[in-house]
Amino acid sequence: LAKTTQPISMDSYEGQEVNITCSHNNIATNDYITWYQQFPSQGPRFIIQGYKTKVTNEVASLFIPADRKSSTLSLPRVSLSDTAVYYCLVGDKAAGNKLTFGGGTRVLVKP
Amino acid sequence: GAVVSQHPSWVICKSGTSVKIECRSLDFQATTMFWYRQFPKQSLMLMATSNEGSKATYEQGVEKDKFLINHASLTLSTLTVTSAHPEDSSFYICSARRTGNEKLFFGSGTQLSVL
Repeated sequence: LAKTTQPISMDSYEGQEVNITCSHNNIATNDYITWYQQFPSQGPRFIIQGYKTKVTNEVASLFIPADRKSSTLSLPRVSLSDTAVYYCLVGDKAAGNKLTFGGGTRVLVKP
Repeated sequence: GAVVSQHPSWVICKSGTSVKIECRSLDFQATTMFWYRQFPKQSLMLMATSNEGSKATYEQGVEKDKFLINHASLTLSTLTVTSAHPEDSSFYICSARRTGNEKLFFGSGTQLSVL
């Protein structure tokens, strides 16, 4: 399974853009990149997924360079409620294919 | 969107007792579910893959006789922590992925405290 590396923590302020970069040097051809958000004492919540280039939804953007060895989650104009741990996962889309969590990035949004 | 329901959300038990945690996919069928454990301020650790109608696949270091997994139907997987001890106290989370859907849906988690 492809291993991921993320910064342990990041601080930001309300209204700023937060960019979290994840390294996945040994990503496989069939692997997708998925980001999850987790609040304390809750299960992780899906944020965004991509394979290459750029993906955008109502909450975030995901930038993936051509070599796919890294990806960057971009959270526009964060608020206090975006304080959470963000996980980058890499794996195949197949239903039975397990996903392994890395260390995650603890994002603290300050007023 | 697909919902995964996990029950109970928290449980306190005495050492030596067994605790069962249920994970249900409410609006889709899940042939595969996953069980994770998470200690405070740590990441999720995959314990096992639960397969409908067959034996679960456990990750290295996870005792299959300690953590019994049953996936008797396409919408229900259960994790039983047998003869629980204080070191088993943790946050347990299940997840499921609908066939053809790229997302992994997680339950809300179960906080287990063993006294």
